[in-house]
Amino acid sequence: DGGITQSPKYLFRKEGQNVTLSCEQNLNHDAMYWYRQDPGQGLRLIYYSQIVNDFQKGDIAEGYSVSREKKESFPLTVTSAQKNPTAFYLCASQPTSAGTDTQYFGPGTRLTVL
Amino acid sequence: KQEVTQIPAALSVPEGENLVLNCSFTDSAIYNLQWFRQDPGKGLTSLLLIQSSQREQTSGRLNASLDKSSGRSTLYIAASQPGDSATYLCAVQAAGNKLTFGGGTRVLVKP
Repeated sequence: DGGITQSPKYLFRKEGQNVTLSCEQNLNHDAMYWYRQDPGQGLRLIYYSQIVNDFQKGDIAEGYSVSREKKESFPLTVTSAQKNPTAFYLCASQPTSAGTDTQYFGPGTRLTVL
Repeated sequence: KQEVTQIPAALSVPEGENLVLNCSFTDSAIYNLQWFRQDPGKGLTSLLLIQSSQREQTSGRLNASLDKSSGRSTLYIAASQPGDSATYLCAVQAAGNKLTFGGGTRVLVKP
């Protein structure tokens, strides 16, 4: 099956811990994105990558880090510097960075800080 | 900075009525506008994508219009069904290929 997967579905973090959210796609897409969604709100862009070994900050990058060592994978680390990390995190991919294609979304990871 | 607004934030209709969802954006320099559906606790599913040169797109019971000059888009869902209950999000894609999302409209279709 082709698609985009995220794991885990639910994640609990103690204060002061770093946690890493996984995002994998087998669609051969060039671009990948991480968004954060808070209850009743739209999505806000954290980081994005248009090509392997390159990524850019989005609107709310503080307290987060990413890597793009492989085309298929774009993991997001939520660091202890992120003061309010409890949210729903969505990963997306896009065939190219040309701006004419839709983005395809994974099922999301719900992160809760205990 | 691009801002996207969706009104109303929530909408409840009886089954069979037509749904009209509104989206407005502040910067008309966009590549495209997209409508997504989100079920509770799930990811987003793309419904329609309208390129900046287009005025509308249709898929089944869904029709979306785009007026770039006035910064508005409308999603029409004909003959609503309980299965249409979800949150609908619009997003605009501009330079840098980043999507800017509205806050969504939560729709409930009552049987």
